[in-house]
Amino acid sequence: DIQMTQSPSSLSASVGDRVTITCRASQGISNYLAWFQQKPGKAPKSLIYAASSLQSGVPSRFSGSGSGTDFTLTISSLQPEDFATYYCQQYNSYPITFGQGTRLEIK
Amino acid sequence: EVQLVESGGGLVQPGGSLRLSCAASGFTFSSYWMTWVRQAPGKRLEWVANINQDGSEKYYVDSVKGRFTISRDNAKNSLYLQMNSLRAEDTAVYYCANGIAFDSWGQGALVTVSS
Repeated sequence: DIQMTQSPSSLSASVGDRVTITCRASQGISNYLAWFQQKPGKAPKSLIYAASSLQSGVPSRFSGSGSGTDFTLTISSLQPEDFATYYCQQYNSYPITFGQGTRLEIK
Repeated sequence: EVQLVESGGGLVQPGGSLRLSCAASGFTFSSYWMTWVRQAPGKRLEWVANINQDGSEKYYVDSVKGRFTISRDNAKNSLYLQMNSLRAEDTAVYYCANGIAFDSWGQGALVTVSS
């Protein structure tokens, strides 16, 4: 199975900050990488697919990059509604696997 | 607007069965891979199973193989998950999602396995 490891596991930041979350795959996954945002008690929301493609309706302050084993999610200027948990996911091979999540909190 | 609405969750005893449904609207259901994902309390997301457009390909996480069955009815725009021989560790919120990259998600259905 491909292991997905996110760093950091938690992060405190302020509104307006630039934030980067990293995701590392235990083996190469090309660009079959997605990012999701989840708020407490809510369903996940897709932000990015194919490592860098923004889902329709997602603000442009979100961006993704990477290929192979190392990926990043960047939020260019944090907004109050961005405080949530973020998950990466590989869909290159079965079983499809998720990272452990990064909890983004208000400083 | 894409809508995915799960139903069928509830409390079941260990060893019991439950069938989840996911009603889809707002997109051409028969053109999309569909997926079930679960999340145990306080845990990360876990992919459970997915199915291709015509139901000819199905994939499962090892922990549910032989116990869960994913299926779909394209005429009814519906996805299903038949869960048998349920265990305490199957307790989770179960979500359905569409697309190979899980583009849209339902609100989830809570399954609790407990005596």
